[in-house]
Amino acid sequence: DIQMTQSPSSLSASVGDRVTITCRTSQSITTHLNWYQQKPGKAPNLLIYAASTLQSGVSPRFSGSGSGTDFTLTISGLQPEDFATYYCQQTYSFYTFGQGTKLEIK
Amino acid sequence: QVQLQQSGPGLVKPSGTLSLTCAVSGGSISTTTWWNWIRQPPGKGLEWIGEIYHTGTTNYNPSLKTRGIISLDKSKNQISLNLTSVTAADTAIYYCARRSGTQWLERLDFWGQGILVTVSS
Repeated sequence: DIQMTQSPSSLSASVGDRVTITCRTSQSITTHLNWYQQKPGKAPNLLIYAASTLQSGVSPRFSGSGSGTDFTLTISGLQPEDFATYYCQQTYSFYTFGQGTKLEIK
Repeated sequence: QVQLQQSGPGLVKPSGTLSLTCAVSGGSISTTTWWNWIRQPPGKGLEWIGEIYHTGTTNYNPSLKTRGIISLDKSKNQISLNLTSVTAADTAIYYCARRSGTQWLERLDFWGQGILVTVSS
């Protein structure tokens, strides 16, 4: 099984800040890595796929990078609607999700 | 725009079978894509359950130990999940989702609204 380590588990930031969330995998997954945003009571929403491709309709404030075992999601210029929980997902061998990062308002 | 509408009971007794359906609108399940089930225990992270292709081919998370069965009904344009021998550990919000893309481009781009299923006597 491919293990996912997402960090931090929680993060406090202010509107306008730039934040970075990291995801590390137990083996190389090339760029088989997606990022989702989930708000309370809602289904996850796809943000980034193939490590760095922005999903249609998603704000360009969101960007992804990385390959192999280390990946990052960066949110630039935080907006109030960005405070949510974020998950990474590997699609290299079936699917596994990271533990999630809860982004809260400072 | 594809929409996934989930239905099913919110309470299942221990040792019973959890049965959920996911009706697809705005597109056909007979297209070349995979349809997935994912679950999320209350307050916790996401766990992939399995997927089904329009041909009926399935893949499952080995952790379910063959308890999960995913099927499709082309006449109703819907997919189903049956999870047998449930315990309290199966209490979760269950989601269906469509996969788009292949290989490194695979992603879950449309999701159902989710249904909370509680396993309790």
